[in-house]
Amino acid sequence: QKEVEQNSGPLSVPEGAIASLNCTYSDRGSQSFFWYRQYSGKSPELIMFIYSNGDKEDGRFTAQLNKASQYVSLLIRDSQPSDSATYLCASAAGYSTLTFGKGTMLLVSP
Amino acid sequence: EPEVTQTPSHQVTQMGQEVILRCVPISNHLYFYWYRQILGQKVEFLVSFYNNEISEKSEIFDDQFSVERPDGSNFTLKIRSTKLEDSAMYFCASSESLPGANYGYTFGSGTRLTVV
Repeated sequence: QKEVEQNSGPLSVPEGAIASLNCTYSDRGSQSFFWYRQYSGKSPELIMFIYSNGDKEDGRFTAQLNKASQYVSLLIRDSQPSDSATYLCASAAGYSTLTFGKGTMLLVSP
Repeated sequence: EPEVTQTPSHQVTQMGQEVILRCVPISNHLYFYWYRQILGQKVEFLVSFYNNEISEKSEIFDDQFSVERPDGSNFTLKIRSTKLEDSAMYFCASSESLPGANYGYTFGSGTRLTVV
C-alpha cells in the first residue's frame, strides 16, 4: 500500500519567515516527488518536483529529498500571506500515477 | 498558459441518477486522469487513460464508473447510478508523460458533485 503522510497542521508562520513543510512516504520504489499548492475550493497547482537526493531550488521554494529516510520537504523563504494554502506532497513510482498526501495547511500572518 | 477545462463547475443530482463530467485536456498532452477529493480528505486517484484505453484504475473505480474519449478533445467520466458517498470534487488532469518520468499533472478547476 503506497502511503504519503503529512502533518495536517495548521502550520502558522509570520510574514517573511521560512515555512518548512514535511512529508514521508512508504513505497521505497517511489522515484519522483511533487509539491502542489491548493487554495480552499480550488484545484492543486504544481509548485515543483524532485527526484534526486539533496536540494532543488526554484525562486523562494526549495525541495529537499532524502531517499534513505523516505522524507521529502518543502521550504518557503520569505513567506507571504498569499502563500497561505494547503500544500500537497505526492509521489510516483516508475510509470505509476501520483499518490497524494492529505496536505499541510499553511497560515502566513501579516 | 494552456488549461484543462472542466464542465460543469457544480452538479447537483439525485441519488441513483447518472452523471457525466466533462473535461478538455491540454491539446498536446497524452495522459489523462480523473481524481476526486471528498471534502476535507486527500486527493484520490480514480483512473488513468492513455492511447484510448484505461491504463490504471483504483479500487474506487468500480463498475459504476466509466471513462471515454469520444472525440479528439473531450474526456468524460460517467457515474451510472450515483450514491451519496460519490459527493466530492472531481478533478480531471492531463500530462505530457508519466509522473515517474518527472512530469507533473495540470489539473482542471474541478466539478463539485453533490448527490442528494
